Amino acid sequence: GAGVSQSPSNKVTEKGKDVELRCDPISGHTALYWYRQSLGQGLEFLIYFQGNSAPDKSGLPSDRFSAERTGGSVSTLTIQRTQQEDSAVYLCASSRQGRIDEQFFGPGTRLTVL
Amino acid sequence: TQLLEQSPQFLSIQEGENLTVYCNSSSVFSSLQWYRQEPGEGPVLLVTVVTGGEVKKLKRLTFQFGDARKDSSLHITAAQPGDTGLYLCAGAARHTDKLIFGTGTRLQVFP
Repeated sequence: GAGVSQSPSNKVTEKGKDVELRCDPISGHTALYWYRQSLGQGLEFLIYFQGNSAPDKSGLPSDRFSAERTGGSVSTLTIQRTQQEDSAVYLCASSRQGRIDEQFFGPGTRLTVL
Repeated sequence: TQLLEQSPQFLSIQEGENLTVYCNSSSVFSSLQWYRQEPGEGPVLLVTVVTGGEVKKLKRLTFQFGDARKDSSLHITAAQPGDTGLYLCAGAARHTDKLIFGTGTRLQVFP
């Protein structure tokens, strides 16, 4: 079966522009996560969706970051008025139920803000 | 703030050598996972340990969860170039059930 897919794979944008990153989780997985990874380091948690529950947004670094998940499937991470410090790889993961389950990761979107 | 510190941060070794990667925290975790990430890809789960003192073996990889469930180690025997990658530990926090990722260990194994 298909794994987690993300698009675009690479995004270059100018400072101040808005960007949208897309994640298609594995079918049937109720949990979806967004992480940020800088310079091949550890993962920084951003946001977590679980079924129809209110998302856990505790990791979003500022109000310029938002995410939604439509129909319990596809998710979009939006960054408004991008800054150079937003440059990173944005990873999406899904799991069958919740956070302590195995998380299946997509290949990531590499965002470069000029 | 719960932190998972990994050491060493970087490791370059020759094929055939043994190595150990450490994952330490002052917090207690209900379970701990180890992932490996290769360039341009997302992390892939290697193992989950849930019991204090637990040891799991996956071919040449041995994972141990500390008795107090605050730390873990990954030991690789006779490393091979295919082991090259970024190794990440991730702990499930005890009361919030939040998964926290470690700082990562980048391993390079030369033939």
